[in-house]
Amino acid sequence: SQQGEEDPQALSIQEGENATMNCSYKTSINNLQWYRQNSGRGLVHLILIRSNEREKHSGRLRVTLDTSKKSSSLLITASRAADTASYFCATRASSASKIIFGSGTRLSIRP
Amino acid sequence: DAGVIQSPRHEVTEMGQEVTLRCKPISGHNSLFWYRQTMMRGLELLIYFNNNVPIDDSGMPEDRFSAKMPNASFSTLKIQPSEPRDSAVYFCASSLVREGGVNGYTFGSGTRLTVV
Repeated sequence: SQQGEEDPQALSIQEGENATMNCSYKTSINNLQWYRQNSGRGLVHLILIRSNEREKHSGRLRVTLDTSKKSSSLLITASRAADTASYFCATRASSASKIIFGSGTRLSIRP
Repeated sequence: DAGVIQSPRHEVTEMGQEVTLRCKPISGHNSLFWYRQTMMRGLELLIYFNNNVPIDDSGMPEDRFSAKMPNASFSTLKIQPSEPRDSAVYFCASSLVREGGVNGYTFGSGTRLTVV
């Protein structure tokens, strides 16, 4: 069963614009992770935010976490054509080793 | 580091045949995960191992699926007999999971299975 749900399911923006994707989850978590998947490839880990953190940055990526609302957002600034991919959030429950993935957001960057 | 290595990359088989997917995790990682990805169901966790021991196989669809991890550097996922509805991309991932520590997963490139 899927723990996280991403919103929107698909997003198309112009190159150079910022892209924001949201993730909502259901149960208490230890951490939340974001992954990127290019077409026909495996998933690549982007960033991890712990349950006691509220915001984290990595290059052009900014992740926020609101545990009271059980939600997270991924912001990609100054988007590039190479950012075209599907983005998944994944949550690790407090008492588990495994992570459960959401349904993903398909991001398309128009040149 | 070559990353997580899966083989084969593509597999086409006839219904009823046995299929074996292979995975070599990253050296030093103590946890290994098998996922299945389809358009309809997204990414589903099938089973995961910690220190070569199966911890949670609740995601394994049915008895036709089995997984083994005979040592820290090798795992197999077997489907016997295969059915058309098993067609999907199967991913293996590994991670270093420690008490109190958190790490992301490293995924392989996947095996695209087509059962005809």
